[in-house]
Amino acid sequence: AQSVSQHNHHVILSEAASLELGCNYSYGGTVNLFWYVQYPGQHLQLLLKYFSGDPLVKGIKGFEAEFIKSKFSFNLRKPSVQWSDTAEYFCAVNGNAGNMLTFGGGTRLMVKP
Amino acid sequence: DAGVIQSPRHEVTEMGQEVTLRCKPISGHNSLFWYRQTMMRGLELLIYFNNNVPIDDSGMPEDRFSAKMPNASFSTLKIQPSEPRDSAVYFCASSSAVKSPLHFGNGTRLTVT
Repeated sequence: AQSVSQHNHHVILSEAASLELGCNYSYGGTVNLFWYVQYPGQHLQLLLKYFSGDPLVKGIKGFEAEFIKSKFSFNLRKPSVQWSDTAEYFCAVNGNAGNMLTFGGGTRLMVKP
Repeated sequence: DAGVIQSPRHEVTEMGQEVTLRCKPISGHNSLFWYRQTMMRGLELLIYFNNNVPIDDSGMPEDRFSAKMPNASFSTLKIQPSEPRDSAVYFCASSSAVKSPLHFGNGTRLTVT
């Protein structure tokens, strides 16, 4: 079975600070990895995805994530956060032959203006 | 592209009543997912369909929950009888192919009193 761990449940940053959210997964085979963002009161939206190739993936709004296979990690980063980045961030993995996506518990990010 | 459409947006009902949540996936998408989101348990996959066929319903909490997908453009999630602990936001999502990113609907916020 696949599982996803997000160790930071709540993160509070000031504007312009750098962000790194941790994501570790457990699955021995080939994986597809995703980060989704959920702004307050809204649905989940895709930030970025990794299927294969360059392990450093760039997404929307200046976010990027790095797949480190040896560490089973897919951490999300942003060099300089903005107040509008306040949201909950979910890491997800799909390692099955089918289409089942497993989500981490989410990290709530609050950016202080 | 109207996106994934869920109805109703909000549902308030009394314990014991039947609740039906509806979802229209994006046209052409052949996979459909029902998720439940609560503060305590985060995002939980309840069931997913591929080409209208239920593939994995291991996340359905108990027999009170049932889901159907009579055709490619419509799915329902029914709770009968409802209980206060069913209160949550229920998201429907669809995707176009195996391991493609999910597109989420705006969710139905269910409150059972």
